[in-house]
Amino acid sequence: SQQGEEDPQALSIQEGENATMNCSYKTSINNLQWYRQNSGRGLVHLILIRSNEREKHSGRLRVTLDTSKKSSSLLITASRAADTASYFCATSGAGSYQLTFGKGTKLSVIP
Amino acid sequence: NAGVTQTPKFQVLKTGQSMTLQCAQDMNHEYMSWYRQDPGMGLRLIHYSVGAGITDQGEVPNGYNVSRSTTEDFPLRLLSAAPSQTSVYFCASSLVLPDSNQPQHFGDGTRLSIL
Repeated sequence: SQQGEEDPQALSIQEGENATMNCSYKTSINNLQWYRQNSGRGLVHLILIRSNEREKHSGRLRVTLDTSKKSSSLLITASRAADTASYFCATSGAGSYQLTFGKGTKLSVIP
Repeated sequence: NAGVTQTPKFQVLKTGQSMTLQCAQDMNHEYMSWYRQDPGMGLRLIHYSVGAGITDQGEVPNGYNVSRSTTEDFPLRLLSAAPSQTSVYFCASSLVLPDSNQPQHFGDGTRLSIL
């Protein structure tokens, strides 16, 4: 069964605006990862946050993690048309051999 | 480095046919896995391997076989194709297990249609 659930399912914004996507999960995790998928391509790793971290930055990306609420958010600042893609969160528990993906948020950035 | 290479990129099969999806990585990664991606379903794990000679089932293993004779290769076999196996298949690899805070590297996928 799916561990992560992204919200919203789809998001449309103007270029230059910020985009926020949320992910909720059900069981305890070791880490949470965010991936991007451009149309017709494979997934590309964006950022990983460990369970003992609360916030992490990478360029225009900011990820937060609230383990008490079992949720994470991905913020993309100053969005560009090239950010148009689907974004997935994925979780892994301690000792887990599996990475479990959510269903994704489809982001459209309008030039 | 080529990363993770999947072949073929597209394939059409008839019901009942068998085929093998190829996956190779050149990063000396121990962990490899296969996912299928269906509309509205996200990615679901089919099989995974933690090293040469070791494989195990994921969430949706029925109808698929895998083997891992080398570190580099992890082929996925469809034994008798069914229309329900129409999907996009992704192979992924990482240096070590997913719980060790290492990212997964994905191939570009194989788009499979079963008629």
